[in-house]
Amino acid sequence: QQPVQSPQAVILREGEDAVINCSSSKALYSVHWYRQKHGEAPVFLMILLKGGEQKGHDKISASFNEKKQQSSLYLTASQLSYSGTYFCGTDSGGNKLVFGAGTILRVKS
Amino acid sequence: GAVVSQHPSRVICKSGTSVKIECRSLDFQATTMFWYRQFPKKSLMLMATSNEGSKATYEQGVEKDKFLINHASLTLSTLTVTSAHPEDSSFYICSASQGGDQPQHFGDGTRLSIL
Repeated sequence: QQPVQSPQAVILREGEDAVINCSSSKALYSVHWYRQKHGEAPVFLMILLKGGEQKGHDKISASFNEKKQQSSLYLTASQLSYSGTYFCGTDSGGNKLVFGAGTILRVKS
Repeated sequence: GAVVSQHPSRVICKSGTSVKIECRSLDFQATTMFWYRQFPKKSLMLMATSNEGSKATYEQGVEKDKFLINHASLTLSTLTVTSAHPEDSSFYICSASQGGDQPQHFGDGTRLSIL
């Protein structure tokens, strides 16, 4: 079953922060986050594993609450290059990902 | 690192033609490769999972005789769309993974247009 992402879309000005949420109705083994720009392939951002964890690099970080079956992606001090569609992919132990519908992020100067 | 090459990037062909798409992991060995289909402004829909040397596992609703998948080596998987029709037009993307807790790395996708 497809995880639910929210919000569907968000518009930011450079330097503002955003949070994208991913929620599943199934128990999760891991959550994967990707960013896709128009006409291009998705680019891997980070993976969070069962056990609940937080990760981050540069100004993008994420958390995974295993009990709530939720993950959140945090974008701080957004840059123009952050624009794109963000997808979470969830793995419930079958070693394959089910992707959410995506969150369109647009950063304006 | 973790580069996946997909070829061709774009195909335009007549209805009834069969089209082969290649997916190669260039700098790592991919235990598993995945094939997705993506409609405009929509999410990635998994079509099938392919493990080297074994038959692909297709998702429900995906015709295996229509979408032939071969995973001949740890670096190459191919998807053949047989007797393609206009409704097969889409963006097809492959990904490759080393398995376990390793992420999937995506190819650049193939935009298929059937006239």
